[in-house]
Amino acid sequence: RKEVEQDPGPFNVPEGATVAFNCTYSNSASQSFFWYRQDCRKEPKLLMSVYSSGNEDGRFTAQLNRASQYISLLIRDSKLSDSATYLCVVNKAAGNQGGKLIFGQGTELSVKP
Amino acid sequence: DGGITQSPKYLFRKEGQNVTLSCEQNLNHDAMYWYRQDPGQGLRLIYYSQIVNDFQKGDIAEGYSVSREKKESFPLTVTSAQKNPTAFYLCASSRTGGGYNEQFFGPGTRLTVL
Repeated sequence: RKEVEQDPGPFNVPEGATVAFNCTYSNSASQSFFWYRQDCRKEPKLLMSVYSSGNEDGRFTAQLNRASQYISLLIRDSKLSDSATYLCVVNKAAGNQGGKLIFGQGTELSVKP
Repeated sequence: DGGITQSPKYLFRKEGQNVTLSCEQNLNHDAMYWYRQDPGQGLRLIYYSQIVNDFQKGDIAEGYSVSREKKESFPLTVTSAQKNPTAFYLCASSRTGGGYNEQFFGPGTRLTVL
């Protein structure tokens, strides 16, 4: 089993659609969770940190379910500019290994006019 | 402006040559990381350093070497022992300590072995 697994893509959606990405992680000791966005041939950029209570930033909502070891990202009212690959990222463990992040393989989103 | 810089952006190397990729940050972060990304794949950790003069191997360290003589700098050398070095190389940095320590990335170096 991969340490971080994401929905296989690509997701092709029309502008204005709501799209949800799912991610599962295998290490129950993980304590930090993130969603990054990566545009084609560019570096990943932090989109959101994911907190236990869930958090929202404009059109983006992230949820964490520790019991199920599951993370989600919801994008409402999709824009053309949301087209990118979305990376689910989990820290490896607590303690001095906690800085190490494990990246999912990414889910590609394409928003069409 | 605070950030992470990598140079060069594109690098071409002949087989059998060593090459060094530069990574500099002015975010005052203690930790720095090197990743490799191949087409259609996720990021894989090569080396990381949580403090000056100390570094650890990541998941795919073979054929690579690093140094951390200054807090701001974490150069990566791709040696001739690396069997398949053509890839997109990304450097990142983060704070250390408790809590969420997001990693911030430089723009990357695309290495092509001819």
